[in-house]
Amino acid sequence: GENVEQHPSTLSVQEGDSAVIKCTYSDSASNYFPWYKQELGKGPQLIIDIRSNVGEKKDQRIAVTLNKTAKHFSLHITETQPEDSAVYFCAPQYSGGGADGLTFGKGTHLIIQP
Amino acid sequence: ETGVTQSPTHLIKTRGQQVTLRCSSQSGHNTVSWYQQALGQGPQFIFQYYREEENGRGNFPPRFSGLQFPNYSSELNVNALELDDSALYLCASSLVAHYGYTFGSGTRLTVV
Repeated sequence: GENVEQHPSTLSVQEGDSAVIKCTYSDSASNYFPWYKQELGKGPQLIIDIRSNVGEKKDQRIAVTLNKTAKHFSLHITETQPEDSAVYFCAPQYSGGGADGLTFGKGTHLIIQP
Repeated sequence: ETGVTQSPTHLIKTRGQQVTLRCSSQSGHNTVSWYQQALGQGPQFIFQYYREEENGRGNFPPRFSGLQFPNYSSELNVNALELDDSALYLCASSLVAHYGYTFGSGTRLTVV
């Protein structure tokens, strides 16, 4: 099965600064790399994803970069705002078949300091 | 387009009892999966249903079981509840397995 590690477990940044969260995985067959955001009292929400034929993807202030050789991908948030405060999870997976479900990292608690 | 809705939002049960949690998938989604999220942890995969059949299961004992109905709604049943079953239970649906899951807000189960 997939082993997933996220770093850091907690990240505190000043509002307006950038935040980077890294996810390392073990299964070289993984080809789909999503990031989920979970706010207090809510379920995880998909915020950005990338497939293995792409190295980087951006969506406004959020970007994901992938290094398949090193088996890690990262979430980048620029110009952080108070509403970015949440727990962020990565969940790399192989989408070629089977039904193994998502394997989540343990999460990164992002705190935006005013 | 409606999202994923789960009921109830909170539940308290006694050890040894049985519980049923319910989920309505997002409109048009035919795959539903269930996750258990302990406090401070990432969600853990329980099982997945596609076309009313279980087609994937995580490392959970048989006392965790489920159903998917023709309208793609789903139930999670847990028998012989244990204290460690206390967690947030999340339902997620998707049109195609493996891509783009939509999660509900979960049911917070407390076993006393």
